[in-house]
Amino acid sequence: GAVVSQHPSWVICKSGTSVKIECRSLDFQATTMFWYRQFPKQSLMLMATSNEGSKATYEQGVEKDKFLINHASLTLSTLTVTSAHPEDSSFYICSAISGESSYEQYFGPGTRLTVT
Amino acid sequence: AQKVTQAQTEISVVEKEDVTLDCVYETRDTTYYLFWYKQPPSGELVFLIRRNSFDEQNEISGRYSWNFQKSTSSFNFTITASQVVDSAVYFCALQDRGSTLGRLYFGRGTQLTVWP
Repeated sequence: GAVVSQHPSWVICKSGTSVKIECRSLDFQATTMFWYRQFPKQSLMLMATSNEGSKATYEQGVEKDKFLINHASLTLSTLTVTSAHPEDSSFYICSAISGESSYEQYFGPGTRLTVT
Repeated sequence: AQKVTQAQTEISVVEKEDVTLDCVYETRDTTYYLFWYKQPPSGELVFLIRRNSFDEQNEISGRYSWNFQKSTSSFNFTITASQVVDSAVYFCALQDRGSTLGRLYFGRGTQLTVWP
């Protein structure tokens, strides 16, 4: 089956610094990638949708200047949390779909971010 | 508007008991997909099943079975003879054509704990 990787799997950073999370589709080309955030004991909340070569579409209430998303190639999307604060600590999950007509969605293993 | 409701926040059972997780959805589309995912403590989402709106046949896979009832907009999940390894959070999700291609709408999840 299709595989999506995320790197790093966990990261601890200091308040005020920026951290980049990578999402890669390993064996398929991902036309669309999604970024989710999940707080403890809560559901996945969609943050943004990114399509290769175009600007990401952010969900209402998500600060686009704080959560920078770049989908530079068909196999890589990155989420950069800028000037991170403790309230940004969360589990970030990406997913990818492989084609315009495909509804198969593949999830990465997630990245746990802790901001101290 | 799309919505997925999992009314059960937490369920506890003893090993070998059967357990049913409820899922009710809302969509205006006639073509849509329904999913169940398992999220163990590690955090990685595990795909369990995808069902399209035109296929109302119930499905069984080992100890797992799914009951799709369009008339009540429900897609319930039953685990027969539960095991400790079934302990996880289970998410029901909806995907339709009314919005961003491939976007999933998640329920809030049901935490299942199976005691030995």
